[in-house]
Amino acid sequence: AQSVTQLGSHVSVSEGALVLLRCNYSSSVPPYLFWYVQYPNQGLQLLLKYTSAATLVKGINGFEAEFKKSETSFHLTKPSAHMSDAAEYFCAVRPLYNQGGKLIFGQGTELSVKP
Amino acid sequence: DAGVIQSPRHEVTEMGQEVTLRCKPISGHDYLFWYRQTMMRGLELLIYFNNNVPIDDSGMPEDRFSAKMPNASFSTLKIQPSEPRDSAVYFCASSFPGRDTGELFFGEGSRLTVL
Repeated sequence: AQSVTQLGSHVSVSEGALVLLRCNYSSSVPPYLFWYVQYPNQGLQLLLKYTSAATLVKGINGFEAEFKKSETSFHLTKPSAHMSDAAEYFCAVRPLYNQGGKLIFGQGTELSVKP
Repeated sequence: DAGVIQSPRHEVTEMGQEVTLRCKPISGHDYLFWYRQTMMRGLELLIYFNNNVPIDDSGMPEDRFSAKMPNASFSTLKIQPSEPRDSAVYFCASSFPGRDTGELFFGEGSRLTVL
């Protein structure tokens, strides 16, 4: 069965430091991949998505993610963290063979940004 | 364009009472999902619909939970009778995977507290 693993339920960085949130998926065929962000007391919003058009995907707020098929990974990065980046981040996958709408979500990573 | 609309945003009720959560998906979307989010269990898929028909309700915790989608623009999630362990944030999301990559668009959530 498809699965998504996010390494680290909590990540803490200093303001201005590199942000790296890890996501690995299990699939024999590269799926559609997504990163969502959830700010406190809000719903999840799409940060970026991989659709096979390009392996390096740029999203909102300076975030980007790189799809690496050989590593079955889709890690999220941002060169310089800002206080406003503090939130929970979810990686999700939609298998290409699944013509239905269901996404499989990881457990989430809470990002803290220290001043 | 309006997003996914959920009501109520907050609900406080007493154990044993009936709770009804409502969702209006994005116009034109043919998939609708109900999720529950808690600190202990994270984000859980409860049920999802395609063209108003329930496709997978395996995530519904027990018979106290029921969901309906009488038309393409409205869905309800009902808990009867409610219990304190049902306290959570309930999210509704919609998508149109046939047109694009199938990302989910989430509502702001309904925060339920059962006393």
